[in-house]
Amino acid sequence: DGGITQSPKYLFRKEGQNVTLSCEQNLNHDAMYWYRQDPGQGLRLIYYSQIVNDFQKGDIAEGYSVSREKKESFPLTVTSAQKNPTAFYLCASADKYGGNTIYFGEGSWLTVV
Amino acid sequence: QKEVEQNSGPLSVPEGAIASLNCTYSDRVSQSFFWYRQYSGKSPELIMSIYSNGDKEDGRFTAQLNKASQYVSLLIRDSQPSDSATYLCAVNPVTGGGNKLTFGTGTQLKVEL
Repeated sequence: DGGITQSPKYLFRKEGQNVTLSCEQNLNHDAMYWYRQDPGQGLRLIYYSQIVNDFQKGDIAEGYSVSREKKESFPLTVTSAQKNPTAFYLCASADKYGGNTIYFGEGSWLTVV
Repeated sequence: QKEVEQNSGPLSVPEGAIASLNCTYSDRVSQSFFWYRQYSGKSPELIMSIYSNGDKEDGRFTAQLNKASQYVSLLIRDSQPSDSATYLCAVNPVTGGGNKLTFGTGTQLKVEL
């Protein structure tokens, strides 16, 4: 089935640890995104990439890093510099010929313990 | 001023009634507009996209766009309990695909029996 796969679905991180969230899509979409969602705050853009080997910071990039070595993959690393990482993380992708429509993966819950 | 504003709700409507969800945006050059539905603990799913002024209908859903007033709305006819969710309005300022969306904080809809 075509879609966007995020893993893991649930992740617990200790203080001071880096963690990486995986995002893979088989939709052949050019653009990929990472959003963060906190209760009552909607979705906020962390990073996005429109082509392989290129990505741009979103509104809340501090404490996060990404890579785009392959078209289908866009992993997000939450570093120890991110002071409040507990949130719901959503990966998304879009086809540049699809009218800007963004489709989401199922999300990853990250909790700091 | 927030870029995309929505009333957080909750908006309560009886089963079978019309639910009206509203969204205003600040960027006058915005070209693409989207409504997503998000159930609690799940990722957003696309309901409607609209690009031109006027109405766009899809089943029980109608999206309405007024660029002069910078206003987009979603009407849900014959509301069902399964429509109870948070509805996110999203705006993209540029056509052509691959660009980032800005989301509102969402309106919680409750459809009561």
